[in-house]
Amino acid sequence: NAGVMQNPRHLVRRRGQEARLRCSPMKGHSHVYWYRQLPEEGLKFMVYLQKENIIDESGMPKERFSAEFPKEGPSILRIQQVVRGDSAAYFCASSPGGTSGGKTQYFGPGTRLLVL
Amino acid sequence: GQNIDQPTEMTATEGAIVQINCTYQTSGFNGLFWYQQHAGEAPTFLSYNVLDGLEEKGRFSSFLSRSKGYSYLLLKELQMKDSASYLCAVRAPSGGYQKVTFGTGTKLQVIP
Repeated sequence: NAGVMQNPRHLVRRRGQEARLRCSPMKGHSHVYWYRQLPEEGLKFMVYLQKENIIDESGMPKERFSAEFPKEGPSILRIQQVVRGDSAAYFCASSPGGTSGGKTQYFGPGTRLLVL
Repeated sequence: GQNIDQPTEMTATEGAIVQINCTYQTSGFNGLFWYQQHAGEAPTFLSYNVLDGLEEKGRFSSFLSRSKGYSYLLLKELQMKDSASYLCAVRAPSGGYQKVTFGTGTKLQVIP
């Protein structure tokens, strides 16, 4: 049973470019969460999605950031017009459905974004 | 809102026992998680407590007191590979669902 998959594992972008991060949840999981982590800091919640629905995007900046989890395919976190401050590790986690908000979250390996 | 506090860093000796504390203030409560995160890697699930008491899983144990808003993770027979950050996370109602909020983590260094 494959775990949470994220790609790419490393992504380098120049300022002003777009970054697109992908996350495939564990088989049978219908809840996806995105977190950002700066070096030596904690996990910062960004967004929580279920299939075709954004449940909570309170942690995501209003501009330049968007997320989706389509009926088919992986969840995508998109960052437009990247700036140096976007450099961080972005982790995706998934959990099974059931109770509201799922329960135990299982994390993918993360995407390390570096903005030059 | 949710507030979760953990010590920033701890150091312990190989073979010893270490206790990592976590206190929380939340509006409602539906469980507490502990995760381990090695440098440069993803967090991995260690334990989930929803009722008061101690849950043991090999060298790791996790304790919860809901009345005190307090939990600890106990690591026995420390090994060098236990050097990592340990994240406490609380599940509580927020925005119409059970949201999991992470603390900033405790960086544990195990020394010979």
